[in-house]
Amino acid sequence: AQSVTQLDSHVSVSEGTPVLLRCNYSSSYSPSLFWYVQHPNKGLQLLLKYTSAATLVKGINGFEAEFKKSETSFHLTKPSAHMSDAAEYFCVVSDSWGKLQFGAGTQVVVTP
Amino acid sequence: GAVVSQHPSRVICKSGTSVKIECRSLDFQATTMFWYRQFPKQSLMLMATSNEGSKATYEQGVEKDKFLINHASLTLSTLTVTSAHPEDSSFYICSAEYSGEETYEQYFGPGTRLTVT
Repeated sequence: AQSVTQLDSHVSVSEGTPVLLRCNYSSSYSPSLFWYVQHPNKGLQLLLKYTSAATLVKGINGFEAEFKKSETSFHLTKPSAHMSDAAEYFCVVSDSWGKLQFGAGTQVVVTP
Repeated sequence: GAVVSQHPSRVICKSGTSVKIECRSLDFQATTMFWYRQFPKQSLMLMATSNEGSKATYEQGVEKDKFLINHASLTLSTLTVTSAHPEDSSFYICSAEYSGEETYEQYFGPGTRLTVT
């Protein structure tokens, strides 16, 4: 069985400072991992995904994530936060049938 | 490309009535669609996997007679909440699986907020 644990339910950063959202996964095989963002009253948007290719994955809007097998982690980072980054972020793992298991989510607040 | 729509975006219904939610893949065909439920300030929980032309597969704890799923075409899946009760009030989100040459990816609809009074 697969699962993900998002270590922070709430992250607050100042505009222009780095963002780090932590995610650990559990999987019995090499997983596919994703980060999605959900803005209020909008649909989920895929930020990036890891599917056993390069361990450092670059996504949209300046986000990137690094797959670390030894640490079973897939943390999401962005060097400089923007006000528009305020949203809910979900770390997601996929099983071999394509079913997605969502983490609990991390609410990001960006202050001026 | 790869746009998924849901209709309606919001619906309010009375307890005991049924509500149908549509999920459409607008520019691609989707053999598989998924239905999720999201309670306030919580994560998405998979309810069922909808396969075109066959019966849906429900996750443990989801009542198949209460949440009827029909996937009659490659671009449309419907979720009907039968005899709705206030505890069914939630945000329902669908996704459609896009199958490319070397990739599978789910594209999500904008969600439907159901309020049962």
